[in-house]
Amino acid sequence: DVKVTQSSRYLVKRTGEKVFLECVQDMDHENMFWYRQDPGLGLRLIYFSYDVKMKEKGDIPEGYSVSREKKERFSLILESASTNQTSMYLCASSPHEGGKETQYFGPGTRLLVL
Amino acid sequence: GESVGLHLPTLSVQEGDNSIINCAYSNSASDYFIWYKQESGKGPQFIIDIRSNMDKRQGQRVTVLLNKTVKHLSLQIAATQPGDSAVYFCAENRGAAGNKLTFGGGTRVLVKP
Repeated sequence: DVKVTQSSRYLVKRTGEKVFLECVQDMDHENMFWYRQDPGLGLRLIYFSYDVKMKEKGDIPEGYSVSREKKERFSLILESASTNQTSMYLCASSPHEGGKETQYFGPGTRLLVL
Repeated sequence: GESVGLHLPTLSVQEGDNSIINCAYSNSASDYFIWYKQESGKGPQFIIDIRSNMDKRQGQRVTVLLNKTVKHLSLQIAATQPGDSAVYFCAENRGAAGNKLTFGGGTRVLVKP
């Protein structure tokens, strides 16, 4: 079974703090994704990565950055957390086999920024 | 604008009945669709997918129907059980590189005993 793990289930941070969210997958997938999920808005793509050291902006990259130094790990960084970044953050991965493969999700990190 | 959307935000179903969840999409270039189930406090879980060269696909108690003419996708759950209570999302791949998916807003299914 594919396993995607996220470093924290719950986080509470203060405005202005730098926040790191870590995601690890164990299936040697090329593609990895970070989403945020808010009530009524569904899942919105923040950043994704095709391969190590590769990154692409998603639909809402502002206020975020990412890092992919190793294939299995994809980190989401909030350089200076703000209250409007309070959300559920979901990481996903997928293989790169013709580009039509299912994404597998981690359990999510619920972030509260005070 | 182009989007993936759901008609019904909440669906109440009697245990044992069949459930139908609908999804509309507007991008005719979309060629791959997925249904996910998300239980409270968990990440989305893959249920079933369908490619645009098909109009129906069946899994265990679930069936996905794709009508490309009207750009409509549906998920049918047979003999709905309490464990089916969750939020269901449809997602489409618009043929974009890197397997990017666009998700609908979700429908909550509540199963009444």
